[in-house]
Amino acid sequence: NAGVTQTPKFRVLKTGQSMTLLCAQDMNHEYMYWYRQDPGMGLRLIHYSVGEGTTAKGEVPDGYNVSRLKKQNFLLGLESAAPSQTSVYFCASSLPDSRGLGQPQHFGDGTRLSIL
Amino acid sequence: AQSVTQLGSHVSVSEGALVLLRCNYSSSVPPYLFWYVQYPNQGLQLLLKYTSAATLVKGINGFEAEFKKSETSFHLTKPSAHMSDAAEYFCAVREENSGYALNFGKGTSLLVTP
Repeated sequence: NAGVTQTPKFRVLKTGQSMTLLCAQDMNHEYMYWYRQDPGMGLRLIHYSVGEGTTAKGEVPDGYNVSRLKKQNFLLGLESAAPSQTSVYFCASSLPDSRGLGQPQHFGDGTRLSIL
Repeated sequence: AQSVTQLGSHVSVSEGALVLLRCNYSSSVPPYLFWYVQYPNQGLQLLLKYTSAATLVKGINGFEAEFKKSETSFHLTKPSAHMSDAAEYFCAVREENSGYALNFGKGTSLLVTP
């Protein structure tokens, strides 16, 4: 069972370069999320999606774009990388929760991104 | 918006001692609360969740948490620490207006000494 898979696991970029982080889930989850984790800051929401073809901004969306063309994939793009975007990026997915069961989010292992 | 505050960025306990990690929440609606654990170079793993079904919630690896509305708290405990419990622990509250995204605390790093 793969769960949530993130690629790549590590990447070093130069300032101004672009790249795309890929998140794939095999649990048929409707909801998907991108977070960034910085020391002493916890995880902060970048963008999220509640279904194929829909995306929305989170707490820290500037400098990032996302796409959800297929239900199982959620892509995070950096158009022009900046050193402030050096971070660990986590993707997560979950089921909807119309019944109030507290559906948990399932996380990938993260992508460690350094921007020089 | 809902938020959580974790008291203590680092906690150190001896093996076999009680583990207590503190989390206080702020929410205008009945909250959904979660505790996650993160081992080095890994993603987050769910320990337990509160959904108002019961105030005392039992999770994996012997952890439990008690929801106290009067204290707006959801502290995580384990009666006897094990070396393998050393990790980063995150408390989170679900944001009802952002696709059920989670608002995380800043985390507490648990060190277990022999």
